[in-house]
Amino acid sequence: EAGVVQSPRYKIIEKKQPVAFWCNPISGHNTLYWYLQNLGQGPELLIRYENEEAVDDSQLPKDRFSAERLKGVDSTLKIQPAELGDSAVYLCASSLDQTSGELFFGEGSRLTVL
Amino acid sequence: AQSVTQPDIHITVSEGASLELRCNYSYGATPYLFWYVQSPGQGLQLLLKYFSGDTLVQGIKGFEAEFKRSQSSFNLRKPSVHWSDAAEYFCAVDTDKLIFGTGTRLQVFP
Repeated sequence: EAGVVQSPRYKIIEKKQPVAFWCNPISGHNTLYWYLQNLGQGPELLIRYENEEAVDDSQLPKDRFSAERLKGVDSTLKIQPAELGDSAVYLCASSLDQTSGELFFGEGSRLTVL
Repeated sequence: AQSVTQPDIHITVSEGASLELRCNYSYGATPYLFWYVQSPGQGLQLLLKYFSGDTLVQGIKGFEAEFKRSQSSFNLRKPSVHWSDAAEYFCAVDTDKLIFGTGTRLQVFP
C-alpha cells in the first residue's frame, strides 16, 4: 500500500514568490493534516481536513497561506507571497479518522526562501 | 493549555546500551500519548501509543513506554540500542489535536 505522497520534496524560491505543495493521502483516509516543522522543533498543526471540510484551521496564517482539499482526497497548500520566515518543512499526514490516533506522515516538502 | 516537554535535546549512547527518553505532559485529564520517530529526510513514524489500560505499552522496533500519571510522564525505553535507532524522537499528546514536543535527537556510537 502506498504511503502519503508529497511533492515537491525540495523547493527554493525568492521571497515574495508563490509556492504550492501537494499531498496525496493514503487511500481511504478521511482525515488529512498539514503540519509545519521548523528546524529543531516538533511539527505544528496548520490545518486539518475531515473529507473536504477544513475543521481546524486556527493556526493557518490566512493572510498568505491557503489550502484546499477538493473531492476530499488530495490536497494543496499554497503560500503567496512567501517570506523568509516561511523556510521550513511542510509535512502532510493522514489518518482513517480523527479518533484513530495514528497519523501517517509523508516525507515532507522542504522550503527554502531566499 | 496542553503541552509536551522533552527535556533532553540531544542524547548520545553506545550501541547495545539501554535508552530512556523523557517526556512530560501538561493536561487536565488522561491524555492520549504517542511516541513518533523521524529518521533523517523521512516523515514521522508511530512507535507506540497509550489510550488507556495497561500503563506499559509495547511498540515497534523493540521500544516500550510507561505512562505514569503521578509524574505526568510517558518515557520511552529500549533495553539495547542499535545503530539504526539514531533518529529524532517526538513525544505527542492528543487532546483535540496532536501536540508535539520539541524532540530528542538520539546519536548512537558503535
